[in-house]
Amino acid sequence: KNEVEQSPQNLTAQEGEFITINCSYSVGISALHWLQQHPGGGIVSLFMLSSGKKKHGRLIATINIQEKHSSLHITASHPRDSAVYICAVRGSGNQFYFGTGTSLTVIP
Amino acid sequence: DGGITQSPKYLFRKEGQNVTLSCEQNLNHDAMYWYRQDPGQGLRLIYYSQIVNDFQKGDIAEGYSVSREKKESFPLTVTSAQKNPTAFYLCASSRWGQETQYFGPGTRLLVL
Repeated sequence: KNEVEQSPQNLTAQEGEFITINCSYSVGISALHWLQQHPGGGIVSLFMLSSGKKKHGRLIATINIQEKHSSLHITASHPRDSAVYICAVRGSGNQFYFGTGTSLTVIP
Repeated sequence: DGGITQSPKYLFRKEGQNVTLSCEQNLNHDAMYWYRQDPGQGLRLIYYSQIVNDFQKGDIAEGYSVSREKKESFPLTVTSAQKNPTAFYLCASSRWGQETQYFGPGTRLLVL
């Protein structure tokens, strides 16, 4: 069993839709990260969370430490949001664990 | 511009040959990391280095070697001992004690 599980694996949405990607983890963590991987392969860090909620533009990330769960929301989705979104956690032993990613396609 | 670079973007090698992937950063970061990404799997840590002249094995270090002679550079050698070297390789760096890692653009290695 992976330490980090993401759902769904693949997601197709119409432009303008509200999107939610979920992440569950099974280890104790010091922080959770949401990453965006572009079609060319480059990875950008979107959020780092240790509690609560963060917002950046149309992106919102939340974390529930007790339930070991995080969500990434995209409001008013746009085709340029099409990418793979990866959830990663830093465990208490300083190790990073990565989810397998959610591939998002936003159709115009 | 500050950043982390990897070269080349694509690399083709014959089976049995060693190959070295380059990773350079000018962010003055102490820590550097090498990850491997395969289809349907999360990133897996190969090696990491927290300071110059020191590095640690990650989860899948077998068949790989690294060096950290300079703060800016952390090259990865994929040796002939690596059974399935074809993959996408990502390098990252971070400040000491900071969570956020900055990723390079990656190198796609194809071994024929």
